[in-house]
Order: sequence, then C-alpha cells, then structure tokens
Amino acid sequence: KAGVTQTPRYLIKTRGQQVTLSCSPISGHRSVSWYQQTPGQGLQFLFEYFSETQRNKGNFPGRFSGRQFSNSRSEMNVSTLELGDSALYLCASSVTGRGYEQYFGPGTRLTVT
Amino acid sequence: GESVGLHLPTLSVQEGDNSIINCAYSNSASDYFIWYKQESGKGPQFIIDIRSNMDKRQGQRVTVLLNKTVKHLSLQIAATQPGDSAVYFCAENRKSGGGADGLTFGKGTHLIIQP
Repeated sequence: KAGVTQTPRYLIKTRGQQVTLSCSPISGHRSVSWYQQTPGQGLQFLFEYFSETQRNKGNFPGRFSGRQFSNSRSEMNVSTLELGDSALYLCASSVTGRGYEQYFGPGTRLTVT
Repeated sequence: GESVGLHLPTLSVQEGDNSIINCAYSNSASDYFIWYKQESGKGPQFIIDIRSNMDKRQGQRVTVLLNKTVKHLSLQIAATQPGDSAVYFCAENRKSGGGADGLTFGKGTHLIIQP
C-alpha cells in the first residue's frame, strides 16, 4: 500500500504571498491531520479533517486553513505568509478509531523569504 | 499550557546496548501515549502506543512503560542497532476512543548510536 504523499516537497515563497500544500493519505484512511514542525516549537498540531469536515483545530491563526475532498485528499493553505511560517509541514493519515496511530508523509519544506 | 516533554535532547549509546528514552507528561486526561521515530529527511514513524489503563506494552525490540503516579513514560529499545539512530518523540492523544484529536508531541530525544 502506498504511503502518505505530499506535494510539493520544497517551496520558497516571499512574505505576503499565499501557499497551498497538498496531501494524499493512505488508501482507506479517512482522517487527515496537518502538523507544523520547527526547531524552536517542535511538532505542533494544525488541524484534522474527517469526511470533508474539520473536526479539530490547533492553536494557529486564521491564516492557516485547510480542506478535504471526497476522496480524502487534503490541502492546507497559508495566506499572507510571514517569515515565522518557514517550517516543515507534515500531513498524517489514520484509520477511523485509531487516531493515535498516524502515518506521516515526508513533509513539505516551506521557506519564506 | 499542558504539554508532553522529554528529559534529554540527546542520548548516546553503544551499539548492542539497551536504550531508554524518557518522557514526562502533564495531562492526566490523555487516553493514549505514543512513541514516534523520525529519521533525517522523513516524517515521524509510529513505533508503539500504550493506552492509559495499561502499565507496560511490548513490541518487537521495544517496550513502553507508563507510570501514571509520576506521569512518566519511557521507551526501551533492546540491542540498539545503527538503524535506531533517529529523533524519538513521545506524544499524547487526548480524545477518548482513539479519535484523532490532534497529537501533542514532546520536544524529542536524538538517539545517537556509537559503533
């Protein structure tokens, strides 16, 4: 079974721009979560989607948003990029009822200049 | 706020020895505690989980211990191999029933294997 895939793998953007990251979960996984990883703050939960609905949200500003499609694929969007948004953005999928066992993709490395 | 933390940022062990990675947590309401491993350039990889009503769980070469009295979690790796070199994170899941309420991760311990 193919793992979680994320595109693009690397991205460079300028302050003020917006960015959209994409994630394809493992086949059969309906829950998709997004995390931000930085050296200073570590791994932080952004939000989780299930059946095209945002089920949970972490403590991030409204500039961070996401959505999920009927095939469980998910996108996250960051508007008005700030330098502090530079990070590795990780997507993870899980089986219904086993949300603690998440399967992560390789991440998208976003650099904001 | 409440968080899951680790005691040591770096742990160096000899190949073949046993490794013990520790973690302290503060949220007694967590339902599951989990260990993840992250190798360079990759996303975290699930290792093992333990439900809050358990004290010990064993997997292949790994054992997780949960001490609720002192809110302590540990991961023991037997006969450490070069492939075990990675950053290890403990995490907690706060939603009962195993739902994805968002994992709260600790800061991570970098396990270095000495030949």
